[in-house]
Amino acid sequence: EPEVTQTPSHQVTQMGQEVILRCVPISNHLYFYWYRQILGQKVEFLVSFYNNEISEKSEIFDDQFSVERPDGSNFTLKIRSTKLEDSAMYFCASQRLAGVSSQYFGPGTRLTVL
Amino acid sequence: KQEVTQIPAALSVPEGENLVLNCSFTDSAIYNLQWFRQDPGKGLTSLLLIQSSQREQTSGRLNASLDKSSGRSTLYIAASQPGDSATYLCAVRQETSGSRLTFGEGTQLTVNP
Repeated sequence: EPEVTQTPSHQVTQMGQEVILRCVPISNHLYFYWYRQILGQKVEFLVSFYNNEISEKSEIFDDQFSVERPDGSNFTLKIRSTKLEDSAMYFCASQRLAGVSSQYFGPGTRLTVL
Repeated sequence: KQEVTQIPAALSVPEGENLVLNCSFTDSAIYNLQWFRQDPGKGLTSLLLIQSSQREQTSGRLNASLDKSSGRSTLYIAASQPGDSATYLCAVRQETSGSRLTFGEGTQLTVNP
């Protein structure tokens, strides 16, 4: 069964450094998402992406964040200058059709900012 | 702003018991509701998706119901097994806020052999 994959599984970085989290969505899916989960807290929406542009973003997704689909398979989340509070598990999700189908999540990237 | 609450926060049951997990949401104008399972340190596995026009969905030993007008959903697990031990999350998609999901905090289920 097709799966969403994410790399790396764990990333450790110094405060102020840039990180890029990578995701390969399910191949015939059209909608892509990033969520995050700070330890012990709820899963929070960051951004949705469709047709090569952001369709929706949360208040968390400020100018430090960006997303890109550089080719037909990868979907990336970039954090330009990481802060301690960016430490969290970041999940990528994809969906075949918005609304009528399930969102499928990847295994996550644990980001630790020191 | 939509708020999703799950009760109880944690539940421990003996193997073989039937159980119900609860999810409530404050804004009933939802498009659909999705139940997930999360194992420790892992991603979210989609279990069931219920559209707002549906009352329930079934998959194997799992049955999810939705009462949109009262802002409630339940996940029924029949004949629980130790392998069902995980955190169960519900998430709703609003009618008017795009495709984002708003999550509850989850119910941590432990099924004891």
